[in-house]
Amino acid sequence: KQEVTQIPAALSVPEGENLVLNCSFTDSAIYNLQWFRQDPGKGLTSLLLIQSSQREQTSGRLNASLDKSSGRSTLYIAASQPGDSATYLCAVRGSNSGYALNFGKGTSLLVTP
Amino acid sequence: NAGVTQTPKFRILKIGQSMTLQCTQDMNHNYMYWYRQDPGMGLKLIYYSVGAGITDKGEVPNGYNVSRSTTEDFPLRLELAAPSQTSVYFCASSYGHLGGIDTQYFGPGTRLTVL
Repeated sequence: KQEVTQIPAALSVPEGENLVLNCSFTDSAIYNLQWFRQDPGKGLTSLLLIQSSQREQTSGRLNASLDKSSGRSTLYIAASQPGDSATYLCAVRGSNSGYALNFGKGTSLLVTP
Repeated sequence: NAGVTQTPKFRILKIGQSMTLQCTQDMNHNYMYWYRQDPGMGLKLIYYSVGAGITDKGEVPNGYNVSRSTTEDFPLRLELAAPSQTSVYFCASSYGHLGGIDTQYFGPGTRLTVL
């Protein structure tokens, strides 16, 4: 059974810092890995999707990397802003698990002015 | 496009009551999903559908039922509500591309409390 772990569970940084969120997964047989953002009381917004054949994806100040063989992904946020404060969820679509996304518990990020 | 919409936003049920959570998408997606999110936990798949008339169980289907009569709608039914079903419920949809390029789009969620 695919297990997805996110470290740290919570993170507080001052505005302007670069930061890294970590995600690990136990089964490397995946189709893709997605990073989502969740604001309090809101739904999930897809940030980046990395296919299993890719090493990284970039969108603006966000960069996500994937090392499938070691079961790891990182989300790099450059020059953090208070508006980046949210919970960030990592989800893996396993090639052995049909259509389900397996989610981590998330990292709660607070960027202080 | 409204994307994925869910109603109601909030609901309080008494133990044993029934209700239907509504989900509609206007992106002509083939695949639709229901997840639940318990406090401090990741999302878990309840049911999914790969097209009208086709549904299948996810990781936590007990206590729920679904139907898919149209491409747009995927309602989730709770027949006999229990306190363990207190959660936030998210509906999602995707095109259903084969392989790795399929992105799921999520609705805003329904916050359900069973007392």
